[in-house]
Parts: sequence; structure tokens; C-alpha cells
Amino acid sequence: SQTIHQWPATLVQPVGSPLSLECTVEGTSNPNLYWYRQAAGRGLQLLFYSVGIGQISSEVPQNLSASRPQDRQFILSSKKLLLSDSGFYLCAWSIRYNSPLHFGNGTRLTVT
Amino acid sequence: AQSVTQLGSHVSVSEGALVLLRCNYSSSVPPYLFWYVQYPNQGLQLLLKYTSAATLVKGINGFEAEFKKSETSFHLTKPSAHMSDAAEYFCAVSGGNTDKLIFGTGTRLQVFP
Repeated sequence: SQTIHQWPATLVQPVGSPLSLECTVEGTSNPNLYWYRQAAGRGLQLLFYSVGIGQISSEVPQNLSASRPQDRQFILSSKKLLLSDSGFYLCAWSIRYNSPLHFGNGTRLTVT
Repeated sequence: AQSVTQLGSHVSVSEGALVLLRCNYSSSVPPYLFWYVQYPNQGLQLLLKYTSAATLVKGINGFEAEFKKSETSFHLTKPSAHMSDAAEYFCAVSGGNTDKLIFGTGTRLQVFP
């Protein structure tokens, strides 16, 4: 069966520090991978998605970047965090067009 | 472009009462529709999905949703609420040759004893 791992579960970082959140998927090949952000009281905002190694689509201009160095690894990064980067970050995978997304347990990021 | 509107950011029901969470969609292509549930500090879990087969879709935990094209709706229902149903619920849409799932802003369900 497929599983998705996302870490860390919680993170507190000062403004201006770098960020690296990692997500890995097991039990499937060539998945679509996604990063979403969920701010308090708001829905899910799609940040990045990837349909293959090295292929990244950015949905909104922002202080973050994503990379996919391996088939089942998706990394969310920032060189310098802003207060507005605080939120709940969710990684997800799917197998093809219009199929359900399967989510990790999320990372709660607080930028202080 | 596709979009989803969830009417009511908060819904409160008594235990044993009917649960109705509303979702309306907009799509220029035949939509694929999903309902997800999120418990505090967790990821989203798929409740059910509509993929152009039967219009009444049954999901986990006793939930079901009906696709109504004429009303562009995909409301989520459960005949009898349980305390464990308290969570946030998200409706989502995709369609066409897209890899993206568009989510609504969510509805928080409270269940009172």
C-alpha cells in the first residue's frame, strides 16, 4: 500500500531563517506531488505541484520554492522566512489526472 | 477555470440530527468532485468522490453526496450526526486534463450532545 511521510510535524523558526520541509511517498511510482498551505481560517492554497523529477509548477508568486530531486521526494524551501509564511503545510500525492489526492499529516510552521 | 463555494463556514448540529454541508461548483468541463475531512492538526482524508458514474455517492463514516448538474451542487449529508463527526470538511473539484484539485474554504462542523 502507498504511504506518505511528511516532516517535521511542527517547526518554529525566526524571521529570516531558511526552511526545508520534506515529503516522501512510498509504494507508488511517478506520482504527482503537491504542496498546499492552509492558513488559519482559510482554505487550502495550492503552492506547487510536480508531475515528474525536476518538473515544478508554481501557482503563486511567493517567498517559497519547491524541488523534486527524486521520483518520490518533494521538498519545500525558503532562503529567508517571513512572518506571513506561518501556516499549516500539507504535502499530497495522486496517481493521475482527476484522481483523489492523498495527504500527509502536515507541518505546522510558526515564524516568529 | 474551476471553483468551489462552500456555503457556511460553520455548521452546528445536535447528535443524532441530520448533517448537511453545502458545496456548489463551477466548471467548464465535466467535473470530478471530492469531499475531504480534516481533524485538528492532521492532513485531509478522502470521504468520497464523484467521477461521472452514479450521481449518489456513498463514502466512509456514513456520509453520502449527490451530484446535481442542474444545480451545480454536490452537497454532503449524513442522516444522523455522531460526536466523532466534528471536524472540518472540504469540497474540491477537478476536471479536464488538469493535475490540480481546487478546494473550497471549508466548513467546520460542530456536534453538540
